[in-house]
Amino acid sequence: AQTVTQSQPEMSVQEAETVTLSCTYDTSESDYYLFWYKQPPSRQMILVIRQEAYKQQNATENRFSVNFQKAAKSFSLKISDSQLGDAAMYFCAYRRYNAGNMLTFGGGTRLMVKP
Amino acid sequence: ETGVTQTPRHLVMGMTNKKSLKCEQHLGHNAMYWYKQSAKKPLELMFVYSLEERVENNSVPSRFSPECPNSSHLFLHLHTLQPEDSALYLCASSQEPRVTTEAFFGQGTRLTVV
Repeated sequence: AQTVTQSQPEMSVQEAETVTLSCTYDTSESDYYLFWYKQPPSRQMILVIRQEAYKQQNATENRFSVNFQKAAKSFSLKISDSQLGDAAMYFCAYRRYNAGNMLTFGGGTRLMVKP
Repeated sequence: ETGVTQTPRHLVMGMTNKKSLKCEQHLGHNAMYWYKQSAKKPLELMFVYSLEERVENNSVPSRFSPECPNSSHLFLHLHTLQPEDSALYLCASSQEPRVTTEAFFGQGTRLTVV
């Protein structure tokens, strides 16, 4: 079975600064997907960024980028130029390649942004 | 309406009650999911309906019963729940079997069992 671990229950960052959220996972498979989801106080999970395991290039989406280390089974999220609206719970998630969207989630990291 | 809509947003029920959670998706997807988000555990997949097949997490108690009458609607029927079932229940949908698809989530139903 796959497991996803987020070792930082809470993080804080100053507005306009950069913060990195950590995620490690365990799997015996070679093909899979990794995701970062954001959950603001509205409770709706919103996809931030996705990484395909077969791609060596790290995914980027505007101010969000990942550091994907497949051998180390590490998948961290970097948020640049942090904004007040980035404050939320962030969840790392794993999905097998051909298993629909049956996601395995980490425990989450609460990100606080200080003005 | 767009996206994934869940009703009610909040629900308080006694342990002897029977209630149902509703989820509706307006995205034309063919797969729907129930996830449980409790305070002390990571989000946990409960049930999946995909391509008219049902997949369930074997650890989910039988007091939770899903129903998917069509690809746009998903229900979670609740009966004789326990206080530890209090949680946020999230519904999601996706288009399968596209490997590049992502799951879209609703805003959840906050359930409190008293």
